[in-house]
Amino acid sequence: AQSVAQPEDQVNVAEGNPLTVKCTYSVSGNPYLFWYVQYPNRGLQFLLKYITGDNLVKGSYGFEAEFNKSQTSFHLKKPSALVSDSALYFCAVSVGTGNTPLVFGKGTRLSVIA
Amino acid sequence: KAGVTQTPRYLIKTRGQQVTLSCSPISGHRSVSWYQQTPGQGLQFLFEYFSETQRNKGNFPGRFSGRQFSNSRSEMNVSTLELGDSALYLCASSLVPRTDTQYFGPGTRLTVL
Repeated sequence: AQSVAQPEDQVNVAEGNPLTVKCTYSVSGNPYLFWYVQYPNRGLQFLLKYITGDNLVKGSYGFEAEFNKSQTSFHLKKPSALVSDSALYFCAVSVGTGNTPLVFGKGTRLSVIA
Repeated sequence: KAGVTQTPRYLIKTRGQQVTLSCSPISGHRSVSWYQQTPGQGLQFLFEYFSETQRNKGNFPGRFSGRQFSNSRSEMNVSTLELGDSALYLCASSLVPRTDTQYFGPGTRLTVL
């Protein structure tokens, strides 16, 4: 069965500093990996995805993620955090075969402090 | 292109009642998935529909049901509401299930009193 782990419930970072939100996954087969962000009282917004190809994926709002197959990780990064990046971040994984739906992690709350 | 819409945005019901939530996907999207989001449990998968067929169902009791229409619009129904059903219910649409990007609606906030 596929699974996603976001080991940190909360990440605090100062504005202007780089940020990392961690995600590790477990699948049988090649993973399709996604990052979403959720602002208060809103639905999830798509940030970026990895399917195949370049291990460094660039997404919306200056975010990027690095796919690491050997460490089964897909950490979300941004070089310089903004206060407006404060939100709840979800990692998700799927596989191209079988019938298992997209699986989400529990989410990591990011707080960027001015 | 219009995004995913969900109606109603807010609902207040009492225990024992039933509720129907509606989701209109992005035009051209044939796959619709439903999730329940609560502070304690996070995002939990409810159903996945593609071309009017339920392809997957999450670990929820039979009180939770859904369907998809020929125009890809989807509804979910919860009968005999319980206090624990209070949650944000999110709908997401995609071109195809699982591997395509899912785009989420704003959600329906259900409160059961």
